Amino acid sequence: QKEVEQNSGPLSVPEGAIASLNCTYSDRGSQSFFWYRQYSGKSPELIMFIYSNGDKEDGRFTAQLNKASQYVSLLIRDSQPSDSATYLCAVNGETDSWGKFQFGAGTQVVVTP
Amino acid sequence: NAGVMQNPRHLVRRRGQEARLRCSPMKGHSHVYWYRQLPEEGLKFMVYLQKENIIDESGMPKERFSAEFPKEGPSILRIQQVVRGDSAAYFCASSHPTGVEKLFFGSGTQLSVL
Repeated sequence: QKEVEQNSGPLSVPEGAIASLNCTYSDRGSQSFFWYRQYSGKSPELIMFIYSNGDKEDGRFTAQLNKASQYVSLLIRDSQPSDSATYLCAVNGETDSWGKFQFGAGTQVVVTP
Repeated sequence: NAGVMQNPRHLVRRRGQEARLRCSPMKGHSHVYWYRQLPEEGLKFMVYLQKENIIDESGMPKERFSAEFPKEGPSILRIQQVVRGDSAAYFCASSHPTGVEKLFFGSGTQLSVL
């Protein structure tokens, strides 16, 4: 059974600070890793994807991948109240078809003014 | 360019009835995926379809659930003889053939079974 684990939160972050979200996965052969943002009652929205070990930056977001530790993280710099949402980690396993993701249950982030 | 369109937004059914959920992918997208989200749980993959083909249905329950993506028209997720445990948000996603790993999700259909 492939698993993707996230802390459920809520993660409370002061406005302007860095939010750090973690995700671990069990399928060692996983190749593709995604972060989605989901506002309450809305659909998931892709914000980052990463395939290779190391860091990938896109605006205020940085994804970090460590395949040896089976760990992927998301940093949100200069957090804004509009970043308050649930962040979903998604993993595409080695033998999974494209678009078949294992999702974590999500980490709720609350940015306080 | 319209996004992934799902309808209805909310669907209420009584136990034993049939539920039909529709999904129109983004323009140019030929890959459609259905996911289910239960309260306090993550999204669970159900099925991956291309036009007139089911590519991966490993997440579909063996009974009562079926999906199709015809040559013309939207993708349909059909649930026969619904039970209370089917109550969930059902999300459709689509991707472009040149970027199949980037899924764009619709707004979802919230199914409530009374």
